[in-house]
Amino acid sequence: NAGVTQTPKFRILKIGQSMTLQCAQDMNHNYMYWYRQDPGMGLKLIYYSVGAGITDKGEVPNGYNVSRSTTEDFPLRLELAAPSQTSVYFCASSSLTGGRYEQYFGPGTRLTVT
Amino acid sequence: GQNIDQPTEMTATEGAIVQINCTYQTSGFNGLFWYQQHAGEAPTFLSYNVLDGLEEKGRFSSFLSRSKGYSYLLLKELQMKDSASYLCAVRDGNYGQNFVFGPGTRLSVLP
Repeated sequence: NAGVTQTPKFRILKIGQSMTLQCAQDMNHNYMYWYRQDPGMGLKLIYYSVGAGITDKGEVPNGYNVSRSTTEDFPLRLELAAPSQTSVYFCASSSLTGGRYEQYFGPGTRLTVT
Repeated sequence: GQNIDQPTEMTATEGAIVQINCTYQTSGFNGLFWYQQHAGEAPTFLSYNVLDGLEEKGRFSSFLSRSKGYSYLLLKELQMKDSASYLCAVRDGNYGQNFVFGPGTRLSVLP
């Protein structure tokens, strides 16, 4: 199993550009999440999904969009990139295993907006 | 509102024991998680508590008191490789899969 994979690993965007961060998991997990982590800070939940076709906002959804057309994939779309979106983005997945929703994280995408 | 507090930084000596505290306030509670995150890497799962008490897992133990909104992670026989950030996270039971993370505690283990 590859676990949770993310592409790209690094990206530099100009202000106003758009891009899609890709996330895929091969563990057949129902739940998937997108977080951002600013330097020296904890993780902030952007969006999450409880299954294909179902998504919901987290704590910091503004400026982002998601879709979940399959169980495996959960892309994050940035429209009109702004410097405030410079961050490390982590995708995660989980399922109910042993009575808990342990999250497995991808390696992250380091995004700089200039 | 939702709030999780942890100390920003801690330092300990190789071979020692260190306790990292976490206090939380959430509108609903459905489990508390501890994750380890080495610099530049993704978080990895360490422990989970949903009932009051101590959960032991090798050199790591985690304690929960739901009435006090308090948890701690205990690391024994510290090794240099334990130098990392430790993130406390609460699953908010009122909001489905909403996980709230604390700011993390950066632990430095010195020889």
